[in-house]
Amino acid sequence: EPEVTQTPSHQVTQMGQEVILRCVPISNHLYFYWYRQILGQKVEFLVSFYNNEISEKSEIFDDQFSVERPDGSNFTLKIRSTKLEDSAMYFCASSFTGGAIFSNQPQHFGDGTRLSIL
Amino acid sequence: DAKTTQPPSMDCAEGRAANLPCNHSTISGNEYVYWYRQIHSQGPQYIIHGLKNNETNEMASLIITEDRKSSTLILPHATLRDTAVYYCIVRVFTSGTYKYIFGTGTRLKVLA
Repeated sequence: EPEVTQTPSHQVTQMGQEVILRCVPISNHLYFYWYRQILGQKVEFLVSFYNNEISEKSEIFDDQFSVERPDGSNFTLKIRSTKLEDSAMYFCASSFTGGAIFSNQPQHFGDGTRLSIL
Repeated sequence: DAKTTQPPSMDCAEGRAANLPCNHSTISGNEYVYWYRQIHSQGPQYIIHGLKNNETNEMASLIITEDRKSSTLILPHATLRDTAVYYCIVRVFTSGTYKYIFGTGTRLKVLA
């Protein structure tokens, strides 16, 4: 069964450094998402992406964050200057539908990248 | 905020059915209910979704009440590997796309 893959599984970075988290969504999916989960807390929505542009972003997704689909298969999340509070699990998800009011295909999640900021 | 409420935790004996309830009293007529689970800190795993009819797949069954204000996920023969946090989600549609708002879920512990 096709799956969403994320690399690396664990990323350790010094505060202030840039980090890029990578995701390969399911190949025929059109909608892409990033979520994060701080240890012991809820899974939080960060951003949705469709047709090569951001559809929606949360308050967490400030100017330090950006997303890109550089080619036909990868979907990346960049944090420009990391802070201690960016330490979390970051999950990528994709879905075939996601924009039409009657669309119902579920999002499929990767196993995440654990980001540790020192 | 999440549009669903779930009990924080439940225990179930191995081999027995696990029935996980969810309230979604504000759900509108065309919104689906989705169930996921998260084992340790792995990514949320899709289980099942439904609109108003009961649904069954190889993992679970989903029973949605006639008024659609609540649902129950049924794992028919729970195993130790089903120990996880289970999330019931009703999507939020804004800015042209859907997103998931996760609650705190139900922590299911399957006991040997």
